[in-house]
Amino acid sequence: NAGVTQTPKFRVLKTGQSMTLLCAQDMNHEYMYWYRQDPGMGLRLIHYSVGEGTTAKGEVPDGYNVSRLKKQNFLLGLESAAPSQTSVYFCASSSPRTSGTDIQYFGAGTRLSVL
Amino acid sequence: KNEVEQSPQNLTAQEGEFITINCSYSVGISALHWLQQHPGGGIVSLFMLSSGKKKHGRLIATINIQEKHSSLHITASHPRDSAVYICAVRLGAQKLVFGQGTRLTINP
Repeated sequence: NAGVTQTPKFRVLKTGQSMTLLCAQDMNHEYMYWYRQDPGMGLRLIHYSVGEGTTAKGEVPDGYNVSRLKKQNFLLGLESAAPSQTSVYFCASSSPRTSGTDIQYFGAGTRLSVL
Repeated sequence: KNEVEQSPQNLTAQEGEFITINCSYSVGISALHWLQQHPGGGIVSLFMLSSGKKKHGRLIATINIQEKHSSLHITASHPRDSAVYICAVRLGAQKLVFGQGTRLTINP
């Protein structure tokens, strides 16, 4: 099992460019999450999904869109990147309905710089 | 004020010392998590607890619901324990709120 895989690991964008971050999990988890981690701050939830075809806004959703067309994949899109979106992005998944816990499994992170 | 406060923010100790990291929260919660973020960036879950105490190897986590406080202890600390330790609380069905983390450095 690979667990949670994020691609790419690093990316540099110019202001205004778009990109998509891919998260894939092979644990058959229902729930998936996108977080951003900034210096001096805790992880903040951008968007999450509780199942295929459903998404919901988290704490800091502005400037991001997501899609969950397949249960194993959760995509995070930046339509027009801004320097304020320079951050480390983490994807996570969990299976509270089947495991009875909300322990989340994290990907290795994507380091994004927007110039 | 942050909903989750960790202390200390940074902690440096010598190998073998007993380590305590604290987490205080300001709202009612249904569960609390401790996570470890390795120097390379990966994040792993250590504990989830809603009452009492849990132990795994040299790590012990405790929670006092009435005082809204949790502690993570490391016994016989080792340089490989050097990492950022993160406390997170579950407020709603899917929402985890994370503390800023405590950076622990264990010197040989």
